[in-house]
Amino acid sequence: QQPVQSPQAVILREGEDAVINCSSSKALYSVHWYRQKHGEAPVFLMILLKGGEQKGHDKISASFNEKKQQSSLYLTASQLSYSGTYFCGTEKGSARQLTFGSGTQLTVLP
Amino acid sequence: GAGVSQSPRYKVAKRGQDVALRCDPISGHVSLFWYQQALGQGPEFLTYFQNEAQLDKSGLPSDRFFAERPEGSVSTLKIQRTQQEDSAVYLCASSTDRGSVADTQYFGPGTRLTVL
Repeated sequence: QQPVQSPQAVILREGEDAVINCSSSKALYSVHWYRQKHGEAPVFLMILLKGGEQKGHDKISASFNEKKQQSSLYLTASQLSYSGTYFCGTEKGSARQLTFGSGTQLTVLP
Repeated sequence: GAGVSQSPRYKVAKRGQDVALRCDPISGHVSLFWYQQALGQGPEFLTYFQNEAQLDKSGLPSDRFFAERPEGSVSTLKIQRTQQEDSAVYLCASSTDRGSVADTQYFGPGTRLTVL
């Protein structure tokens, strides 16, 4: 079953913060976050594992709440380059394939 | 190093034609995935290979879709008798599959298929 992402779209000014949520009704093993710009490949951001810690790099971080089966992606002090569509992909048990949400379109304006 | 490459990048087919889409994974990557991405949607799983073995093809929408990876490297997704609903971006991804779960999947740029 497809994870649910919210919000569907968000518009920010450069330097503002944003949170993107991803929730599932099924038990999750891991959550994968990607950013995709129009006409390009999805670019890997980070993986969060069940039982793992919050991860981050640069000004993008994420958390995984196992009890709620929910992950959140935090973008702080957003830059123009952060614009794109963010997808969460969930992995269940031994299945290797990812089930993706429908995406959150993020637009950062100068 | 080289990432995942796909060819062609764009393909226009007339309804009923057969098409073949190619994926070159990152060298040494054991696992290879095909996904289909409709406009404005997230990628949807089609099939998964570990080396040359097709371990999961549960996402293939019909028997017109066929995928192979005969030597455990390059993969081809073939669609026979294309229909308009097959129009989408077809993404390929590869991962090292070190035996642990949650390996990172690296995506190629995709092939945009338009069926007229």
